[in-house]
Amino acid sequence: NAGVIQTPRHKVTGKGQEATLWCEPISGHSAVFWYRQTIVQGLEFLTYFRNQAPIDDSGMPKERFSAQMPNQSHSTLKIQSTQPQDSAVYLCASSLDGKNTLYFGAGTRLSVL
Amino acid sequence: GEQVEQLPSILRVQEGSSASINCTYENSASNYFPWYKQEPGENPKLIIDIRSNMERKQTQGLIVLLDKKAKRFSLHITDTQPGDSAMYFCAASGYGSSGNKLIFGIGTLLSVKP
Repeated sequence: NAGVIQTPRHKVTGKGQEATLWCEPISGHSAVFWYRQTIVQGLEFLTYFRNQAPIDDSGMPKERFSAQMPNQSHSTLKIQSTQPQDSAVYLCASSLDGKNTLYFGAGTRLSVL
Repeated sequence: GEQVEQLPSILRVQEGSSASINCTYENSASNYFPWYKQEPGENPKLIIDIRSNMERKQTQGLIVLLDKKAKRFSLHITDTQPGDSAMYFCAASGYGSSGNKLIFGIGTLLSVKP
């Protein structure tokens, strides 16, 4: 069991560029969550899928952020027109059924210059 | 509301003493309260959790208490060791159709001095 896999580990983009972050949940887990971690805000919930269906995207900035889960083995978080305030560690987590333990990936550190 | 407040933000203790972290939540429908430990450069990892049908749970030097009336829960680390130094996050489950998402506290940076 390789755990939750996130790629890339680090991404540097220029202001206004697009960033796509990838997450492969643990095989057999039906729920996938995205969080953003900063020192100031801590762990902020972004969005959540269960059985590939979007359940709650209440934490997503509406204009530039989008997330998809095209199949059970991966989810993507896309940020268009990145801004310096988007710089953070983006964490993906999966759980067996959405009701229990979240297993976090190592995160993608996004730096927007 | 779905806020989870966590205090203190920084906690310094001497090796061998105990450390306590306190959290409060707003949503009375929350029924799952995990604690995660995050070491520098690592991802958060579950260390202990408690559900709303319990008031106390203990495992390997960790004790969690839950007071549903006060909407308060706490983590107590007994006999702290330098290896306990890390960031600790409390969380509470959400509600409604999003009942399974976790709302996290801001975190507590624990430093255990030898």
